[in-house]
This record gives sequence, C-alpha cells and structure tokens, in this order.
Amino acid sequence: DVKVTQSSRYLVKRTGEKVFLECVQDMDHENMFWYRQDPGLGLRLIYFSYDVKMKEKGDIPEGYSVSREKKERFSLILESASTNQTSMYLCASSLRIPGPQEKLFFGSGTQLSVL
Amino acid sequence: AQKVTQAQTEISVVEKEDVTLDCVYETRDTTYYLFWYKQPPSGELVFLIRRNSFDEQNEISGRYSWNFQKSTSSFNFTITASQVVDSAVYFCALSTYNTDKLIFGTGTRLQVFP
Repeated sequence: DVKVTQSSRYLVKRTGEKVFLECVQDMDHENMFWYRQDPGLGLRLIYFSYDVKMKEKGDIPEGYSVSREKKERFSLILESASTNQTSMYLCASSLRIPGPQEKLFFGSGTQLSVL
Repeated sequence: AQKVTQAQTEISVVEKEDVTLDCVYETRDTTYYLFWYKQPPSGELVFLIRRNSFDEQNEISGRYSWNFQKSTSSFNFTITASQVVDSAVYFCALSTYNTDKLIFGTGTRLQVFP
C-alpha cells in the first residue's frame, strides 16, 4: 500500500515563526500536492509538484512556498506564520504525469495552530 | 467554470438507516472524472470510487452504491444499512483535462449513531 507520511499530526506555532511541514511518500510517485482544509471551504490546493525541483502554484499560494529536493519528499513552508494560516494541511501524491483520471493518496494531515 | 456542490453540510442517522449524499457538478468539458473520497476521524482521505463521463452505469460495492446522472449533473452516493464506522466526512471531486487538478466539494459530515 502507498504510504504518505506527514511529520506532525498537531503543531502549535507563534505568529511570525517560520514553519516547515514535511511530507514523504514511499511509492515513487511523480506528483505531490499540498492542500489546506477549512470548515465550509473543503480542500483548497496550495502548491503542487510534478517532478523534483519543480513546483506549480495552486489556488491559494500566497503566504506559502514549497521545496522538492528529492522525489519522495515535498515540504510546505510558511515563511512568517499568521493566525489565518491556522488550518488542517493535507499532503497527497499520485502516480503518473498529471491526468484527470489519477486518484490521490493522502497523508493523515497536520493540524496547525498559529497563536 | 468547474464546480462541485455538496449542499448537505451534515447528516445524522441511526445505524441501519440508508443515507444518500448528494453531489452536483458543473463543467463544460465533455470528458471528465468524478470521485468520492472518505475522510474518517483519523484524517486521511481515502479514495472510494472514480467514474468517467462516458460511463453512466451505476455502481454497487457492498453497502455502497453510486448513481451517476449526466442529465442532472449529479453523482450521488448511497450507503445502505449504515454503520457507526461509516461516520466520516465525504468529499465529492471533479477533474477534467482542462483543469488538470481535482476540484473538491465542501464535504458532507455523516454521523451514524448506534
């Protein structure tokens, strides 16, 4: 089974801190994604990556950056955390070059609270 | 524009009741895919089903069934004889060659009480 692992289940940070959310997948997937999940808003795509060192903006990239130095690892970075970034963050991966038929495999999520 | 609407925010049922989760989608593309994902309390979204726009056959998998109707742009999900373990948030999603990504609905929280 595909395993997508997010480094922390719960995280509490202070406003202005630099925050790293780590995601690792073990099935050699090319595509990786970061979503945030908020009540009433569903899942919104922040950034995604189709290959190492490659990144694309999603729907809500402001305030975030990403890093993909190795195929299996995709990091989400909050350069200066703000309270409106308090949310559940979900990492996902999929197998092939992007196509509409591909299903995503998700991690368990990181609930980030910014105080 | 591509859009997925799940009008039911929260549904509560008692065990063994049947329950239907609604999903209405919008797209102008003729080729598209529809998905359902389940998010249990553990947090990890789990893939349930994928359906392409050319296959309107309904599907049944155990207690789960899906009704795809292009005429009403709906892809509804029915759980028969619900169980407590079905308690989760369920997301419907849409993808097309033009969007190149999954568009999620806002989710429906299902609570099944013993």
